[in-house]
Amino acid sequence: RKEVEQDPGPFNVPEGATVAFNCTYSNSASQSFFWYRQDCRKEPKLLMSVYSSGNEDGRFTAQLNRASQYISLLIRDSKLSDSATYLCVVRISGSARQLTFGSGTQLTVLP
Amino acid sequence: EPEVTQTPSHQVTQMGQEVILRCVPISNHLYFYWYRQILGQKVEFLVSFYNNEISEKSEIFDDQFSVERPDGSNFTLKIRSTKLEDSAMYFCASSFSGVGTGELFFGEGSRLTVL
Repeated sequence: RKEVEQDPGPFNVPEGATVAFNCTYSNSASQSFFWYRQDCRKEPKLLMSVYSSGNEDGRFTAQLNRASQYISLLIRDSKLSDSATYLCVVRISGSARQLTFGSGTQLTVLP
Repeated sequence: EPEVTQTPSHQVTQMGQEVILRCVPISNHLYFYWYRQILGQKVEFLVSFYNNEISEKSEIFDDQFSVERPDGSNFTLKIRSTKLEDSAMYFCASSFSGVGTGELFFGEGSRLTVL
């Protein structure tokens, strides 16, 4: 089983739509959770950390369910500039210095 | 805005040749990392470096790989004898604190093509 699993997509949505991405992780000792964004052939960039209580940053909302080992990202009112690959990223206990990346979910926002 | 810079942006080499990829982390950062991404695949951890020594490495980071911080600004990844399967984008990253905060700043990457 993959350590961090994501639906690869692609998700093609119209501008203004709401879209949700899901991610599951296999290691129950996972401690920290993040969403990164990666544009085509570019470097990953931190979008937001994911906290147990859930957190919101503008149009982006992240949720964590530790019992189900599940993380989600919701994008509201999607913009053309949101088109990218969204990477679910986990730090596993005992791996203090490394992040484990999912394969990513590709999003294309259409005009 | 400070950024991580990497050189070269693209390197083509013959199988068996040595390659050195260079990185200049953000100046006040203390932790340095190399990740790689084979085309179409996920980003994979290679190695982390702190206080002038390797703090963690993955199973990918075998004896053909080495890292060095030769001076106060550069952080290098050396691949001693390249193989076809080493073809990938190599990302350098740095952070001020340990990776727990998740705030790794990545460079734009060095694309390595091994022929």
